[in-house]
Parts: sequence; C-alpha cells; structure tokens
Amino acid sequence: DGGITQSPKYLFRKEGQNVTLSCEQNLNHDAMYWYRQDPGQGLRLIYYSQIVNDFQKGDIAEGYSVSREKKESFPLTVTSAQKNPTAFYLCASKEVEGVNQPQHFGDGTRLSIL
Amino acid sequence: DQQVKQNSPSLSVQEGRISILNCDYTNSMFDYFLWYKKYPAEGPTFLISISSIKDKNEDGRFTVFLNKSAKHLSLHIVPSQPGDSAVYFCAALGGGGADGLTFGKGTHLIIQP
Repeated sequence: DGGITQSPKYLFRKEGQNVTLSCEQNLNHDAMYWYRQDPGQGLRLIYYSQIVNDFQKGDIAEGYSVSREKKESFPLTVTSAQKNPTAFYLCASKEVEGVNQPQHFGDGTRLSIL
Repeated sequence: DQQVKQNSPSLSVQEGRISILNCDYTNSMFDYFLWYKKYPAEGPTFLISISSIKDKNEDGRFTVFLNKSAKHLSLHIVPSQPGDSAVYFCAALGGGGADGLTFGKGTHLIIQP
C-alpha cells in the first residue's frame, strides 16, 4: 500500500540530546513537509522540501534541521537548541505536478522530554 | 497573528442532522483551501478542498462553501454520522509565504446518538 510512514510512534529524549524522527513515503511525491502540533493548536510548518537536495525553512524552523538526500525520505532532527521540543510531529507529502494538490499525512511521532 | 481562524473549539450535533463547521481567514492571497479530519494520535486525513475560483465543492456527504468577499468558508456534513466525531482542521495555501499549509486550531465535532 502507498503511504507515509513515520517512526517511531513515541519517542523520549533526555534534555541536551539531539533526536531524529523518520519519515518515508512510497507515493513518489516530490514535496515533503514537517509540521508540529501542540495541544489545542493547529499544525505549524517547520521545514519543507520540494525536490531532492533542497529544503526551505517554515514558520518555526529554529532548533530543527532536515535533510533530503532521497526522494522518499525526509528525516527531521530535533536539536538541543529547540527550547520546547515536546509535541506531536507530523510529516506530509504531496505531488508537485498539477494545480492545487492536497498534502497527505503520516500518523505522527509524539516526542516527550524525560 | 492567526491567519486562519476556527472560532468554535467544539460543536455538538445530533446524528442524522447537518453539521456546519466554519472557518475565517485574513490573508487575501490564499487561493486554495482544505479541510482535514483528525482522530487523536493519528495524522490528519484529507476530506475536501476548494480553489478560490470556485464557491462550492461537493463530495458525497461533504460540501465546502467559499465566500471570498467575507473571507469565510464552511464545511457541511449531511447527514452526520457517529464516525464523523473528530477534530476538523481548516487549512489554506498560497498566502505568499512558505509552500506549507496554514492551519486553524480545529473544531472538535461530537455527533450525539
């Protein structure tokens, strides 16, 4: 089945540690995105990538880093510089071709600080 | 500064009746609007979208209406079913900034039997 896979589902981090969240898609989509959701809030854009080896900052990129070495993979690293990393992280992808395509989401990773 | 606003945190509707979820936006450059449905601990699921050149789009029980002059859109679900109970997010694209979606805070729809 085609889809977006995020792993792990739950992740715990000690303060001061970097942690990497995985996102893989087999939909052959060019564009991929990372969002963060906090309780009672909408999703906010962290980073996005429209093509391999290129990515752009979103609205809340500070304390995060990404890479896009392969079309199907867009890992997100939460660094120790991120002051409040506890949140629900969602990865999405979409086709670039055609006008106005919807983004499709994975099931998320919940990150908690120990 | 919230560019997409869902002013009702929750909405309760009886099964079989119509559910109407509302969304307002402030950025006139938005040109594509979407509704997503989300269950706890899962990712949002795309429901329906509308381009700014249209004022209505229908897909089965779901209809989205867009009023550009009022910067307002709404999602109608009819008839409402128990499985519709979820959080619904309004999102917009094309605000002149990043390529990602701008989301509202969501409305929790509760369908009562």
